[in-house]
Amino acid sequence: AQSVTQLDSHVSVSEGTPVLLRCNYSSSYSPSLFWYVQHPNKGLQLLLKYTSAATLVKGINGFEAEFKKSETSFHLTKPSAHMSDAAEYFCVGETSGSRLTFGEGTQLTVNP
Amino acid sequence: EAQVTQNPRYLITVTGKKLTVTCSQNMNHEYMSWYRQDPGLGLRQIYYSMNVEVTDKGDVPEGYKVSRKEKRNFPLILESPSPNQTSLYFCASSWAGTGRYEQYFGPGTRLTVT
Repeated sequence: AQSVTQLDSHVSVSEGTPVLLRCNYSSSYSPSLFWYVQHPNKGLQLLLKYTSAATLVKGINGFEAEFKKSETSFHLTKPSAHMSDAAEYFCVGETSGSRLTFGEGTQLTVNP
Repeated sequence: EAQVTQNPRYLITVTGKKLTVTCSQNMNHEYMSWYRQDPGLGLRQIYYSMNVEVTDKGDVPEGYKVSRKEKRNFPLILESPSPNQTSLYFCASSWAGTGRYEQYFGPGTRLTVT
């Protein structure tokens, strides 16, 4: 069965420093994986998705993620954090074709 | 504008009083689903619908009902709400019923059951 685990519930960085949000998945096959962002009092917005094409996926707002099958990871990165990046981030995996499973979420704080 | 709308956005109700949260999308999407979001648990799927008149249970369906009589609408019904259904609810839609497509989320409905 597919599951997704976000390794950090909270991450705090300084503005201008790199961001790393970690996600591991378990699956017997190469799943579709997504990162969504949720700003306060908003719905979720897609940042990027992996669907078995290139393993390095580029998304919006300078974010990217690399699918590493050997490590069963799909970590989200950004070279330089902006204050506007402060939000909650969800790693999401395809479960059984028509269902998705969400990680528990990582709250990103960006300090000035 | 392509969007998913939910109503109401905020609702406070009492135990046992039936309520319906509406969800509508204007993108002609086949797939629609409902999620609840609770602190530390991420989003959990309640029900989903692959197309009109086709619905199925997600991970946490107990205490909820849905219907899909029209492609654009997917209401969530709580026949007898209880305090443990206090949560933030999101409706979402996508082109098709596979996990490969982007989900478009509504703005959320914050429900409090006292």
